[in-house]
Amino acid sequence: GAVVSQHPSWVICKSGTSVKIECRSLDFQATTMFWYRQFPKQSLMLMATSNEGSKATYEQGVEKDKFLINHASLTLSTLTVTSAHPEDSSFYICSAPYLVRDEQYFGPGTRLTVT
Amino acid sequence: AQSVTQLDSHVSVSEGTPVLLRCNYSSSYSPSLFWYVQHPNKGLQLLLKYTSAATLVKGINGFEAEFKKSETSFHLTKPSAHMSDAAEYFCVVSDVGNTDKLIFGTGTRLQVFP
Repeated sequence: GAVVSQHPSWVICKSGTSVKIECRSLDFQATTMFWYRQFPKQSLMLMATSNEGSKATYEQGVEKDKFLINHASLTLSTLTVTSAHPEDSSFYICSAPYLVRDEQYFGPGTRLTVT
Repeated sequence: AQSVTQLDSHVSVSEGTPVLLRCNYSSSYSPSLFWYVQHPNKGLQLLLKYTSAATLVKGINGFEAEFKKSETSFHLTKPSAHMSDAAEYFCVVSDVGNTDKLIFGTGTRLQVFP
């Protein structure tokens, strides 16, 4: 069945470095994917909409130069956290709409820790 | 703007007793509403959704929710809790202009005691 995967599931990086997170739709294509951020014991906040073949759409307050999104193909979107700082430590989740069932499928998330 | 408010951050029940997780919505239009569940280390899973059809929506794992326009509510219920129901539950509304864009409530953590 339709599944969304994320890689890596967790990553630790040093302050100032960049980290790339992949989101893949398995067995279905997604022209749009969504990236969320979830702080501990809090809700999911939409960061941006990833659009295949065009620029991502960022939510208000999200730095587009810090959170680079590339929708490289109909099954892959990447989120790169550039020059990461400890305050970027969070749980990042992606989703993709599965049009056959009119439903969003979520990835299992990536836990980023910046030291 | 669309929004949802989950009235309880934590709910604790005993196994076998009913579950009620409360959600109120705010919307200028007829909304699409969802309940998602998040188990530790697993992706969010859709429990059920309301899209202006029947007001009583049945979902997976015995959960159901009733859309009440007069009360702007979409409470999630289950007649008998199971230990495996312990998780974080999110009430969600879709954006008006883009129904793929989801707006999450703050979540309710459900604890189930034996």
